[in-house]
Amino acid sequence: TQLLEQSPQFLSIQEGENLTVYCNSSSVFSSLQWYRQEPGEGPVLLVTVVTGGEVKKLKRLTFQFGDARKDSSLHITAAQPGDTGLYLCAGIRTGGGNKLTFGTGTQLKVEL
Amino acid sequence: GAVVSQHPSWVICKSGTSVKIECRSLDFQATTMFWYRQFPKQSLMLMATSNEGSKATYEQGVEKDKFLINHASLTLSTLTVTSAHPEDSSFYICSATSNADTQYFGPGTRLTVL
Repeated sequence: TQLLEQSPQFLSIQEGENLTVYCNSSSVFSSLQWYRQEPGEGPVLLVTVVTGGEVKKLKRLTFQFGDARKDSSLHITAAQPGDTGLYLCAGIRTGGGNKLTFGTGTQLKVEL
Repeated sequence: GAVVSQHPSWVICKSGTSVKIECRSLDFQATTMFWYRQFPKQSLMLMATSNEGSKATYEQGVEKDKFLINHASLTLSTLTVTSAHPEDSSFYICSATSNADTQYFGPGTRLTVL
């Protein structure tokens, strides 16, 4: 059983569209991170959220941590082809030491 | 800062042979290193946690005798896939941390077992 479920699993959109990726769990996380990974490379950290209800913005990307710290979302405004990649949420469970649990992943493709 | 390297970046080996993958923290001392495996179109799955100077802790379902992990120094951890078989073909990624919160990921090693 995957602790962190992401939806959608795949997303193909046109340049300029907006999108939201969801990361859901029944477990509470002390912190949650979002990564983007390109083929053949390691994941690159985008953001870390630690407080329930927290919202962070990174240019066209907006990240939100759920009030109960069980879920998170990533919203991209005016997507560009450079946003194409595998988006992964990952969390440290409360009482889980420093082990990261990765979500199931969302493959995003942004076409011209 | 906080750069993690892996070597080799890709390796092809024959079934039954052993392969060693290195993970190095280049500009910081990593008290803990993690090893992940990623199959095509899937997410990262934690294999084991490696603390410098002590035995690695393996996740459920990961064979410790098949995936040998050594973390002999604060900047180097190695993963040896012993008696590799085609089903071991995967993308192996390490991460390193010097504190409890931030893991810095390596670029990954693509293993193909023929």
